[in-house]
Amino acid sequence: QLQLQESGPGLVKPSETLSLTCIVSGGSISGSDYYWGWIRQPPGKGLEWIGSVYYTGTTYYSPSLRSRVTISVDTSKNQFSLRLNSATAADTAMYFCARQRSGVQLWSVPAWGQGALVSVSS
Amino acid sequence: QSALTQPPSASGSPGQSVTISCTGTSRDVGGYDHVSWYQQYPGKAPKLMIYEVSKRPSGVPDRFSGSKSGNTASLTVSGLQAEDGADYYCSSYADSYNLVFGGGTKLTVL
Repeated sequence: QLQLQESGPGLVKPSETLSLTCIVSGGSISGSDYYWGWIRQPPGKGLEWIGSVYYTGTTYYSPSLRSRVTISVDTSKNQFSLRLNSATAADTAMYFCARQRSGVQLWSVPAWGQGALVSVSS
Repeated sequence: QSALTQPPSASGSPGQSVTISCTGTSRDVGGYDHVSWYQQYPGKAPKLMIYEVSKRPSGVPDRFSGSKSGNTASLTVSGLQAEDGADYYCSSYADSYNLVFGGGTKLTVL
């Protein structure tokens, strides 16, 4: 059974880099059937897609975050990571990692982690 | 401001049907059949309820159905049950490899 677990600091200082890792268990990240993504949700607000990565390293990013985001994959550790540079208070959110099917179903998200709350504050 | 527009709230009595709308543009909802709907309880991760406009993942009750007309997608919940009370979000593929979400609708079962 697939499990996705976010890990990383819960508090980040403004202007610093927000970093999170998603540990994948119950399935291999090195498969052609899936992309691996990050989605966030500010407190009391809606969902925002950040980006997605394929096991080969191919990435898709939200246009609004592209200049600050890097999503990478580590197949040896069966995990993928998010880095968001120059963090501000507006980046305070619950961050979810997720698995998406490749191909025509790429743009739906059937599997989610439980989420990790990250606050940006001095 | 979310890319897709949803009503902030909707409500219905047990057994009734309720429809939630999701309005976008020709560059997202209207241009592609990649509309999804998610159910989210407070403090929980979202759950995929509908994908590719009208398809249900395994395990989702057939009381949930999706449709699309022009730039507006809709989620209909028939035979409302108490446990259907939750937040619902739509999403759509948008031009140039982008995924956009609606602002969410809080469904209350009266």
